[in-house]
Amino acid sequence: ELKVEQNPLFLSMQEGKNYTIYCNYSTTSDRLYWYRQDPGKSLESLFVLLSNGAVKQEGRLMASLDTKARLSTLHITAAVHDLSATYFCAGELSGGGADGLTFGKGTHLIIQP
Amino acid sequence: NAGVTQTPKFRILKIGQSMTLQCTQDMNHNYMYWYRQDPGMGLKLIYYSVGAGITDKGEVPNGYNVSRSTTEDFPLRLELAAPSQTSVYFCASTPGVTYQPQHFGDGTRLSIL
Repeated sequence: ELKVEQNPLFLSMQEGKNYTIYCNYSTTSDRLYWYRQDPGKSLESLFVLLSNGAVKQEGRLMASLDTKARLSTLHITAAVHDLSATYFCAGELSGGGADGLTFGKGTHLIIQP
Repeated sequence: NAGVTQTPKFRILKIGQSMTLQCTQDMNHNYMYWYRQDPGMGLKLIYYSVGAGITDKGEVPNGYNVSRSTTEDFPLRLELAAPSQTSVYFCASTPGVTYQPQHFGDGTRLSIL
């Protein structure tokens, strides 16, 4: 059984600050996905991390994957209000993703002016 | 390009009623999924399909049924609705070949009273 644990589950931060969301997973299928969800909306794909050491960046968000530690991080640089959302990491139960994703509980991020 | 389309967007059911949540995608994706999201939680996999005529249970299949007669459509059937099935239901799809992220529909918000 795959377990995906995120922390923190809730984060309130000020604009301009940096912070990191952590995602630990238990499967040996080392592919990790990050999604963003705005309140009442659907999920938007942010990053797909496919191998050890993978690092991807988009604007103020950077995601990385350490398969040895079974840890992925989502780093926020110089946060802005528009990044307020809930962020989910998700892992695959098996290679190829045929049998779906297992999601963490999500990190509810509020960025205050 | 519509992507993944879910209908209806909102629905209120009485206990014991049945209904079908519709999901269709126009991206010719092989893999399709149904998830449910309870308040403040991550998504949990209900059923998935890797192609027409092939379906399988996910983590929380009890009380639901699915069918996949075409590549495009993946309806979810609730039989004998119960209050515990009050949730937001998301349909998703992915090509299933090259570890592409799942594309999500806008969700169906279902209340059972």
